[in-house]
Amino acid sequence: DAGITQSPRHKVTETGTPVTLRCHQTENHRYMYWYRQDPGHGLRLIHYSYGVKDTDKGEVSDGYSVSRSKTEDFLLTLESATSSQTSVYFCAISEGPSTDTQYFGPGTRLTVL
Amino acid sequence: DQQVKQNSPSLSVQEGRISILNCDYTNSMFDYFLWYKKYPAEGPTFLISISSIKDKNEDGRFTVFLNKSAKHLSLHIVPSQPGDSAVYFCAAIIFNNDMRFGAGTRLTVKP
Repeated sequence: DAGITQSPRHKVTETGTPVTLRCHQTENHRYMYWYRQDPGHGLRLIHYSYGVKDTDKGEVSDGYSVSRSKTEDFLLTLESATSSQTSVYFCAISEGPSTDTQYFGPGTRLTVL
Repeated sequence: DQQVKQNSPSLSVQEGRISILNCDYTNSMFDYFLWYKKYPAEGPTFLISISSIKDKNEDGRFTVFLNKSAKHLSLHIVPSQPGDSAVYFCAAIIFNNDMRFGAGTRLTVKP
């Protein structure tokens, strides 16, 4: 298994509070991704990174920001959480662009009350 | 606007028989397609992929077929095994790093 961890694995928070999810990899892969999974939608790309300090928006980036200060860490921040951001969040990594195999982390279940 | 569609939310087959999972897409610019498998409480794992220049790719018990004119791809699992029971996601890539997923099909293989 690719060395990807996500923390926390579960979180319950209240509307309006900031939340940061962390993805950590030990594979030294250049690309990292954040997805959310919702019933009826599959997985949707939020943001991705193609290198340290290099990030770009995905399909559903509104309300989210990311940062990557080190190769191994990719942070996803919800500046002011809303109930519509209740979801399961997956981090993924790949050596190259998304035509390379993406390896997914175990997921973080976030509930916004 | 869901550009990748898996119209069957669930599929049940008998062990040893063939499982056929289907996926349709609307954007003819997609040029690379993948299937991922997901068990509960785990992240998706890559299963098999196919480039738009091919119409078939095979890997052991898994075969993916691509019909570009119909904008349709399918995943065949032969023979199906109980351990194949999972949610299968179809995904398509348009330009680098823009991967769109279908909603998933839950496959149940009965012993």
